[in-house]
Amino acid sequence: KNEVEQSPQNLTAQEGEFITINCSYSVGISALHWLQQHPGGGIVSLFMLSSGKKKHGRLIATINIQEKHSSLHITASHPRDSAVYICAVKPPTGETSGSRLTFGEGTQLTVNP
Amino acid sequence: EPEVTQTPSHQVTQMGQEVILRCVPISNHLYFYWYRQILGQKVEFLVSFYNNEISEKSEIFDDQFSVERPDGSNFTLKIRSTKLEDSAMYFCASRQGALYEQYFGPGTRLTVT
Repeated sequence: KNEVEQSPQNLTAQEGEFITINCSYSVGISALHWLQQHPGGGIVSLFMLSSGKKKHGRLIATINIQEKHSSLHITASHPRDSAVYICAVKPPTGETSGSRLTFGEGTQLTVNP
Repeated sequence: EPEVTQTPSHQVTQMGQEVILRCVPISNHLYFYWYRQILGQKVEFLVSFYNNEISEKSEIFDDQFSVERPDGSNFTLKIRSTKLEDSAMYFCASRQGALYEQYFGPGTRLTVT
């Protein structure tokens, strides 16, 4: 069983729709990242959160530590939001450790005009 | 805005050859990482580097791999004798400190023929 599970694997939406992507993890963490990967392959960090909720523009990320679950929401989706969205978790390690990220499989989002 | 850069963007090499992938992390960052993503698969951790030494490495990072920070700005990943299965996108990342998020470079696509 993967330590980080995302759902759905693929998501197709119409422009303007509200999008939710889910991430569940089975290990202890100190933080969770939401990342965006465009077709060219580059990875952009969207959020790092360890509790509560963060908002940046049309993107909102929430995390429930007790339930080991996080969601990424996109409001008023646009075709330019089409990308792979990846959840990654950081272990609860100290300052001098590597703090490797463990990644989910990603969710392919396609927003049609 | 400062960013992580990687060169080359694409490298083609023959099986058995040595390759060096180069990264320039963000200048005030202290922690450095290499990840890889085989086509169609999730991103996997390879190695983390802090204070001029490896702080953590994965099972993938065997004796064929090495990392170096030769001059205080570059961070390199060397694969001594490439195999077909080393074909992947290799991402460098850096972060400023334990409580900070990781910033990813654009990746180097390595093709081993």
